[in-house]
Amino acid sequence: QKEVEQDPGPLSVPEGAIVSLNCTYSNSAFQYFMWYRQYSRKGPELLMYTYSSGNKEDGRFTAQVDKSSKYISLFIRDSQPSDSATYLCAMNAGGTSYGKLTFGQGTILTVHP
Amino acid sequence: EAQVTQNPRYLITVTGKKLTVTCSQNMNHEYMSWYRQDPGLGLRQIYYSMNVEVTDKGDVPEGYKVSRKEKRNFPLILESPSPNQTSLYFCASGTTYNSPLHFGNGTRLTVT
Repeated sequence: QKEVEQDPGPLSVPEGAIVSLNCTYSNSAFQYFMWYRQYSRKGPELLMYTYSSGNKEDGRFTAQVDKSSKYISLFIRDSQPSDSATYLCAMNAGGTSYGKLTFGQGTILTVHP
Repeated sequence: EAQVTQNPRYLITVTGKKLTVTCSQNMNHEYMSWYRQDPGLGLRQIYYSMNVEVTDKGDVPEGYKVSRKEKRNFPLILESPSPNQTSLYFCASGTTYNSPLHFGNGTRLTVT
């Protein structure tokens, strides 16, 4: 079983929809959680960064971390065609596992005009 | 402009011919790392470096070498490339090990 599981999709939604992207993980030591967006032929770029549990909002994006369930989510409100990309979750345990960042497989999202 | 620069962007080579992929960052970051990205497997960490002269293995280090002689550079070396190393490679850097990472635009390597 992989440490981080992410539904690869693909996910296709109409413009304006609310999108929910999710990752589950098995390592209870993970404490730093990130979401990256990757456009075709580009490197991943950071969208959201959270430490431990809770919610974080940035414009149309909301990240949620539920450590008790080992589950993280990224919500995109009022989705736009420009949001079409691959979304990757990533996690880091810190402590003795410092330096090791573990990624999910990525979810391919397409937003139709 | 703050950036991570990888070269080359595309590389086709033959089995056994040593190659180096360069990575340079201009943000004075201490932490740097190499990943490979394969369909269905996502991004997997090859090696990382916490600072100059400090490197450690990631999840898939076999067949790769790295060095960190200067803070800004972190080259990835394939001493004897094999076809199973055909992949898309990304270099990344960050202020520290748990800070958000800045990625380069990738190097697509094909080994025949």
